[in-house]
Amino acid sequence: ETGVTQTPRHLVMGMTNKKSLKCEQHLGHNAMYWYKQSAKKPLELMFVYSLEERVENNSVPSRFSPECPNSSHLFLHLHTLQPEDSALYLCASSQREYDPWKLFFGSGTQLSVL
Amino acid sequence: GQQVMQIPQYQHVQEGEDFTTYCNSSTTLSNIQWYKQRPGGHPVFLIQLVKSGEVKKQKRLTFQFGEAKKNSSLHITATQTTDVGTYFCAGIGDSNYQLIWGAGTKLIIKP
Repeated sequence: ETGVTQTPRHLVMGMTNKKSLKCEQHLGHNAMYWYKQSAKKPLELMFVYSLEERVENNSVPSRFSPECPNSSHLFLHLHTLQPEDSALYLCASSQREYDPWKLFFGSGTQLSVL
Repeated sequence: GQQVMQIPQYQHVQEGEDFTTYCNSSTTLSNIQWYKQRPGGHPVFLIQLVKSGEVKKQKRLTFQFGEAKKNSSLHITATQTTDVGTYFCAGIGDSNYQLIWGAGTKLIIKP
């Protein structure tokens, strides 16, 4: 247990559905991240929130919409996804000032878009 | 853009043999991190290297950061079944605000 909890673990959705991924961290960190992991590719950073403000948005399509209501919770809202969006979505957290690159990852949500 | 190349993509070894994965950056890195992801799991932080030429050890794992801070390696001595997984390097480049990840090296132990 890393102290970062993601739900659901698995998600199958159609291209017209709307769903949300949830992440909660219990480590007292002040930065949270969404990553996309596809087979044989480097992890792709999608969004970074530091102190609840979005500081990075790596040209992610608007069908992915993040929300960070407080420093412990992070959501990724999904709508009208494409089959190529099927991947493992990982949430991570870190302590931005003291150890920013030591990321603690959740177990991920394995997303399949049909 | 800045890239970190990691080789090999896969390595098959007999249990007890050594394993090495290499990361090479096109530009100088401020630091480099190593993570391990077990099959079906998530990346777990192993270590951070900051200084030029730095060598750190964790039991059977030896991590090196090149003198020019553009490459790094992870060497595992006498692999065990618990070492199975994918090893990722991730570095901080010029931008200083985003990790640049390698694609990972998958360690497979032959039965």
